[in-house]
Amino acid sequence: KQEVTQIPAALSVPEGENLVLNCSFTDSAIYNLQWFRQDPGKGLTSLLLIQSSQREQTSGRLNASLDKSSGRSTLYIAASQPGDSATYLCAVKTGANNLFFGTGTRLTVIP
Amino acid sequence: ETGVTQSPTHLIKTRGQQVTLRCSSQSGHNTVSWYQQALGQGPQFIFQYYREEENGRGNFPPRFSGLQFPNYSSELNVNALELDDSALYLCASSLVVTTTDTQYFGPGTRLTVL
Repeated sequence: KQEVTQIPAALSVPEGENLVLNCSFTDSAIYNLQWFRQDPGKGLTSLLLIQSSQREQTSGRLNASLDKSSGRSTLYIAASQPGDSATYLCAVKTGANNLFFGTGTRLTVIP
Repeated sequence: ETGVTQSPTHLIKTRGQQVTLRCSSQSGHNTVSWYQQALGQGPQFIFQYYREEENGRGNFPPRFSGLQFPNYSSELNVNALELDDSALYLCASSLVVTTTDTQYFGPGTRLTVL
């Protein structure tokens, strides 16, 4: 059974710092990995999607990498801003219809 | 193009009651998935509907059931509510059922069971 783990569970950084969020998964037979942002009590906003054949994806200040063989992904956020404060979730797709989610990293960026 | 919408936003029920949650897919999307997110946890897959047929189910009991309509809107029904059913329920729509498609999530319905 696929298990997705995110470390750390919570992170607090001063504004302007670069930071890395980690995601690991137990079964490397995935089709893609996706990073989401969730604001308190809200739905999910997709940030980046990496197909299994890709190594990384970039969008603005965000860069996500994928090492499928070792079951790891990282989300790099450059020059963090208070507006980046949210919970970040990673999810892997192992079939046509199911995403397996981690429990998330709660990020606080201090002005 | 409208996004995924869900109703109601919040709901309070008592144990043993039944509840129906609704979801309108993004325009043109024929696939909808439902997820349950307990407080402090990641979302867990309940089931998926593709062209009005169930197309996969997670580890949820039969009292969780669903429907998808010809216009691709969807309902999640939960019977005999239990306290542990308190959660944020998310629906997500996608254009096709493939291994590479992106799911677009709605804002969720917060269900509280007392």
